[in-house]
Amino acid sequence: KAGVTQTPRYLIKTRGQQVTLSCSPISGHRSVSWYQQTPGQGLQFLFEYFSETQRNKGNFPGRFSGRQFSNSRSEMNVSTLELGDSALYLCASSLESGRNEQFFGPGTRLTVL
Amino acid sequence: GQQVMQIPQYQHVQEGEDFTTYCNSSTTLSNIQWYKQRPGGHPVFLIQLVKSGEVKKQKRLTFQFGEAKKNSSLHITATQTTDVGTYFCAGPGNTGKLIFGQGTTLQVKP
Repeated sequence: KAGVTQTPRYLIKTRGQQVTLSCSPISGHRSVSWYQQTPGQGLQFLFEYFSETQRNKGNFPGRFSGRQFSNSRSEMNVSTLELGDSALYLCASSLESGRNEQFFGPGTRLTVL
Repeated sequence: GQQVMQIPQYQHVQEGEDFTTYCNSSTTLSNIQWYKQRPGGHPVFLIQLVKSGEVKKQKRLTFQFGEAKKNSSLHITATQTTDVGTYFCAGPGNTGKLIFGQGTTLQVKP
């Protein structure tokens, strides 16, 4: 089975712009979770989607949003980028739940200038 | 809010020495998971423990889940340079999201 894929792998944006990141889960996995990883804060949960519905949400501002499509692919959007949004954004998929074994993608490295 | 703490934050060992990282949760967990992230890589699932007092082994790695299901440990016997990376524990919070510890970064000197 192919693993979790994320595009793009690297992105450079400037403050105020918006960005959309994409994630394709492992075939058959219906749960997709997003995490932000920074050196200072570790892995922070953004949200989880299951069957096109947001099932769980972390403590991030409304500038961070996401969605899931009927084929389980997911996108994450960040609007009005701030310098502090620079991070590695990781997508993880699992069969049924974000509470169990997570299969992570390679991540998208976002740099905000 | 719920927290998962890991200690130590960093550990430098000589190749062949043992290594242990400890994970403590502020609440009882239904399960505890361990992940390894190599430098420049992404977290990779190692194991999940579910039962109170459970001990599981994977070659030189030994994982334990505490009796109260609030703490866990990962012990590596006779470290090798391939063990380098950051080890994370994670547990499901009350709201269902997975809460990760801050991780322990292991450096191994050959």
